[in-house]
Order: sequence, then structure tokens, then C-alpha cells
Amino acid sequence: NAGVTQTPKFQVLKTGQSMTLQCAQDMNHEYMSWYRQDPGMGLRLIHYSVGAGITDQGEVPNGYNVSRSTTEDFPLRLLSAAPSQTSVYFCASSYRAENYEQYFGPGTRLTVT
Amino acid sequence: GESVGLHLPTLSVQEGDNSIINCAYSNSASDYFIWYKQESGKGPQFIIDIRSNMDKRQGQRVTVLLNKTVKHLSLQIAATQPGDSAVYFCADQGSTLGRLYFGRGTQLTVWP
Repeated sequence: NAGVTQTPKFQVLKTGQSMTLQCAQDMNHEYMSWYRQDPGMGLRLIHYSVGAGITDQGEVPNGYNVSRSTTEDFPLRLLSAAPSQTSVYFCASSYRAENYEQYFGPGTRLTVT
Repeated sequence: GESVGLHLPTLSVQEGDNSIINCAYSNSASDYFIWYKQESGKGPQFIIDIRSNMDKRQGQRVTVLLNKTVKHLSLQIAATQPGDSAVYFCADQGSTLGRLYFGRGTQLTVWP
């Protein structure tokens, strides 16, 4: 198993541009989520999904969209990038939403200028 | 609110000593807790978890203790090694299914 994969590893955007961060898992996990990590901070939940076709907002959802059309993929879309979205983004998955460890991808480092 | 915090942002120990990393949580309804290790430039890696119906759980060289009375969680690492140097996060499921709340992390540095 490849586990949780994320692309790209690094990305630089100009303010106002849009892009999609890709996340995929091959473990047949029901639950997937996106976090952002800022310097000196823990991870903050952006959006999550408890199964295909179901998504919900986390702590910091503004400026981001998600969809879950398949079990394997959970892309994160930045609609109009802002410098405040400069961060490291992690995708995670777990067997189910409740009481199961989450497996994290390697992260995408995004810089918005 | 639902928040998880760590007592100390940094901890330095000598190789071979035991390390104790502490965490406090605020939501008394939380029923699942996880410790993660994050090495520089990598995603968090699962270390150990504990459910609220337990007080203690042991893994390989690691022990997690849960004190629900004071809402405190700790991670003990026995015989700390240089490879244990990383940032350690506690996380709490809270009362909303599908949400994990992370603390700010403790940077553990192991000196030879």
C-alpha cells in the first residue's frame, strides 16, 4: 500500500489564483480530512469527510472547498488564494471517523505571494 | 470550547533518560485521545492512542496515562533515543464525530 499520497509537494501561487491540492489513499478508509499547520501551531482541521458523497466543515473552512466523489480521493480547492493561506497542508485518513488512528500524508507546502 | 494544549513547548533530555510530555484537554466529553510524532518535514505519525474507559496503555517504550479527573494526558518515553527527537502532539476527538483537535506540540530534543 502507498498509504496517503499528496501532490504537489511544493506550490507557489499568486494572490487570487486558484488551485487544487490532491489527496489519495489506497487503504479503503471511510474517513478523510484536511489540516493546515502554521509555524508553532498544531494542526487545524479544514474539512473532513466520513464517506463518499459526504463532507463537512472543520475549524477553518473559509476559502477552501472539498468534494468526495470516490472513497479514494479527497481534493482540496483553494478558490482565490490569499497570503493568509500560506501554510503546510496535510491530508489524513482513517478506517472510520470514530476512535481510529488517522494516517497522514507527507504534506504540501504552499506559499501565496 | 474544545481545545487541547500542551504544558511545555520544548523539552530537552539526555539519551537514555525517560521523557514525559504532558497535555491538558478541556472537553470532559472527549472519549478518544491520540499521541502523534512529527519529524521535521514529514507528516504526523501515530504513536499510541487511549480511550476514555482506560487509565493507562503501554506500547513499545511508550506509555500513555489518562487522568480524566483533571483532564490530563501524558506520554512517557522510556530510555529516550536520538531518533525520538521530534515534535509530539496530543489530539482529542472531542464530542463531534469526525473531528480531531490538536495541541500546539512539544519539541523533544535528545542530547547524546
